Amino acid sequence: QSVLTQPPSVSGAPGQRVTISCTGSSSNIGAGYDVHWYQQLPGTAPKLLIYGNSNRPSGVPDRFSGSKSGTSASLAITGLQAEDEADYYCQSYDSSLSGSGVVFGGGTKLTVL
Amino acid sequence: EVQLVESGGGLVQPGRSLRLSCAASGFTFDDYAMHWVRQAPGKGLEWVSGISWNSGSIGYADSVKGRFTISRDNAKNSLYLQMNSLRAEDTALYYCAKDRAGYSSSGSYFDYWGQGTLVTVSS
Repeated sequence: QSVLTQPPSVSGAPGQRVTISCTGSSSNIGAGYDVHWYQQLPGTAPKLLIYGNSNRPSGVPDRFSGSKSGTSASLAITGLQAEDEADYYCQSYDSSLSGSGVVFGGGTKLTVL
Repeated sequence: EVQLVESGGGLVQPGRSLRLSCAASGFTFDDYAMHWVRQAPGKGLEWVSGISWNSGSIGYADSVKGRFTISRDNAKNSLYLQMNSLRAEDTALYYCAKDRAGYSSSGSYFDYWGQGTLVTVSS
């Protein structure tokens, strides 16, 4: 069971908007720690998609956006494209954990219908 | 161009050891913390271990603490993971990942990832 909870799957038709939630608690997202998002295309390594809740690295289309409120964060994808079909992971920090405190969500599989 | 190339994976029996390596290029290696993140077949991402730029700060997930040892050689731009007493549940693709800063902190995230090296623990 992941510390950060994501829906196992979401889907949408090309051109539509989808959102992926990432729900935490008072020891991670709710404590004010940043949320980051990664995209993992089939058979490839994860790629940084959003950092610091809502910032896009260079090269990431502005169709991808992130937000955070309370104990949750969301990734929104607008103008859905077939190439967006991938697994998406949120990541944050949890103050109750030993080690580095790095935590990932369980991942969400996005299917483009 | 940042490149992270992992090696050293393979099939190993339970209880045996394996050493993973990650060769880094395209950035100033000794400015950044580095991490190992693993992904079991068909599963999600799990942080395994991290090391600061100067090896002064090291952390491990509870699942590997006491069995795995992370290290780095800044002169060789390389990151390592010594894995001892391997278990079936350690079977995974192991990724080397670059931190955005020199120390792992509450704001850490991974801006570059390697392609991974597969470790299979089975008799």
